[in-house]
Amino acid sequence: QVQLQESGPGLVKPSETLSLTCIVSGGSINNYYWTWIRQPPGKGLEWIGNIYYSGSTNYNPSLKSRVTISVDTSKNQFSLKLSSVTAADTAVYYCARDGTHCSGGSCSDSFDPWGQGTLVTVSS
Amino acid sequence: DIQMTQSPSSLSASVGDRVTITCRASQTISTYLNWYQLKPGQAPKLLIYAASSLQGGVPSRFSGSGSGTDFTLTISSLQPEDFATYFCQQSYSTLRTFGQGTKVEV
Repeated sequence: QVQLQESGPGLVKPSETLSLTCIVSGGSINNYYWTWIRQPPGKGLEWIGNIYYSGSTNYNPSLKSRVTISVDTSKNQFSLKLSSVTAADTAVYYCARDGTHCSGGSCSDSFDPWGQGTLVTVSS
Repeated sequence: DIQMTQSPSSLSASVGDRVTITCRASQTISTYLNWYQLKPGQAPKLLIYAASSLQGGVPSRFSGSGSGTDFTLTISSLQPEDFATYFCQQSYSTLRTFGQGTKVEV
């Protein structure tokens, strides 16, 4: 089955750029949206944005000025860049597939599967 | 933004208990509502999609209901592996938003 694995530095200095990659295995990245989500310590989940395999993106307006999500179909992976980070960007970052699930005529876009998440700490 | 409000934020329960978690949307979202289970160090898991449809492989003790603005996740008989944090999430809007989570603990 499809599995996702996040990779990247666990420590980033303030004002620098956070960079993470999500490697998709067990299936093709084509024909799906792919999403980044984060969870700051002790807080809830925040949707960062998503990308279609063709490259079109949607971003959370609260982060849009600092976020870039890209896709590399040849490597079956997609990436997140978050610039000018501060301590408030410390979080567990998850990648997930964003697909449409339907049953009995009812459909909903939902995140499945997810990666295990990677903790990124912003500190000097 | 569509705000999702979950209650309670935490609850204490015992194995075998029936557990109910509610989620309210700030505007109508039809049945574009999903539920997830999060455990530390593990990949989050989709439990319920489209408000009431059970994701494949999820035990039948989990169920979801609701439409419009009010939704419920029910665990009919809590098992040891169900102690976790649960989040609702709406997909009505392109800007996906989550509830603040409900931690189910002993």
